[in-house]
Amino acid sequence: DADVTQTPRNRITKTGKRIMLECSQTKGHDRMYWYRQDPGLGLRLIYYSFDVKDINKGEISDGYSVSRQAQAKFSLSLESAIPNQTALYFCATSDTNEQFFGPGTRLTVL
Amino acid sequence: GENVEQHPSTLSVQEGDSAVIKCTYSDSASNYFPWYKQELGKRPQLIIDIRSNVGEKKDQRIAVTLNKTAKHFSLHITETQPEDSAVYFCAASKSGGYQKVTFGTGTKLQVIP
Repeated sequence: DADVTQTPRNRITKTGKRIMLECSQTKGHDRMYWYRQDPGLGLRLIYYSFDVKDINKGEISDGYSVSRQAQAKFSLSLESAIPNQTALYFCATSDTNEQFFGPGTRLTVL
Repeated sequence: GENVEQHPSTLSVQEGDSAVIKCTYSDSASNYFPWYKQELGKRPQLIIDIRSNVGEKKDQRIAVTLNKTAKHFSLHITETQPEDSAVYFCAASKSGGYQKVTFGTGTKLQVIP
């Protein structure tokens, strides 16, 4: 089945380290998104991309960067991780309106 | 930009009772309102959506209502079952074209057997 996958699924890192979260999809969708989920704050948009040459900041992009390497791949980087970036991160894709989420990456920054 | 508020943040109901979750949005141009369910440890998944050209939509035990004038929409779950226990997110966007979705802060629903 066509799906959205994320690697790694869990990651523990230290303050100041650079870390990359990867997302791949076999749905053939042009649009891809990165969200973070924190208790009580819902799903907040970090970055989104409507095609390979299009990158847009979301509501909480500070401290993050992204790369759209191909239609199927969208990576999120934390250049210098800090503890308040500890969260559950979701990648998502969409064709028209419905968002299809990956399984999530639980990131802990010590 | 769009702002979506969701209430309550937690909700406990007895099995068989109804549950209602309410959301408001700020951008009058928004016209697509999906609801996502996230079971414990799982990814969010779309359960129902409504567009601004209709006031109500039903799918078995779940229904959504939309009041465009007041800019609020609600999720109604009837005859709740333990498997309805999850976090529910409302969202708003402008449908069609290339639009981003703004999510509410989520409601944790617990159905007590």
